[in-house]
Amino acid sequence: GAVVSQHPSRVICKSGTSVKIECRSLDFQATTMFWYRQFPKQSLMLMATSNEGSKATYEQGVEKDKFLINHASLTLSTLTVTSAHPEDSSFYICSARDERGTASTFGSGTRLTVV
Amino acid sequence: QKEVEQNSGPLSVPEGAIASLNCTYSDRVSQSFFWYRQYSGKSPELIMSIYSNGDKEDGRFTAQLNKASQYVSLLIRDSQPSDSATYLCAVGVTGGYQKVTFGTGTKLQVIP
Repeated sequence: GAVVSQHPSRVICKSGTSVKIECRSLDFQATTMFWYRQFPKQSLMLMATSNEGSKATYEQGVEKDKFLINHASLTLSTLTVTSAHPEDSSFYICSARDERGTASTFGSGTRLTVV
Repeated sequence: QKEVEQNSGPLSVPEGAIASLNCTYSDRVSQSFFWYRQYSGKSPELIMSIYSNGDKEDGRFTAQLNKASQYVSLLIRDSQPSDSATYLCAVGVTGGYQKVTFGTGTKLQVIP
């Protein structure tokens, strides 16, 4: 089945620094990738949707200048949390879908802690 | 009204029983429906997808869809302690990049 690799799985960074999270589709071409954030005991909140080669579409309330998304190839999307603050600490999960538009496959998630 | 609603639970069932998880959605044009299982601290994994009215069975899992009533359910037969997790219902509207909206999830506890 489809596999999505996400790295790193855990990261601790200092307040004010930037963190990059990678999401790779290993055995299929991901025409669309989604980035979610999940706070403890809450559901997944979609942050943005990216299609290969075009700018990401951000959900209302998500700062595009703070959460930079790049989807430069059909197998790789990155999310960069810029100038991270403690309130950005969360579980970030990517998912990817191929051109057929069937169910998305999730990456393993990244636990970000900003201290 | 939330777009996708689920009872947060916890839903407790004894081992071997049938667990029934329900989900309602508000957008009548929704065309794709998914059930994901999420263990604590892990990312969701797809269990079932269903696109047309009726039942769809896969092993111990059965998804049921009723578009007229705008609900989708998941039945887990012969529940096992390893089924204990949070189950997320997700609903998609086909078209464009097919945005999928998740419910808040139902926590299932299977008691040995």
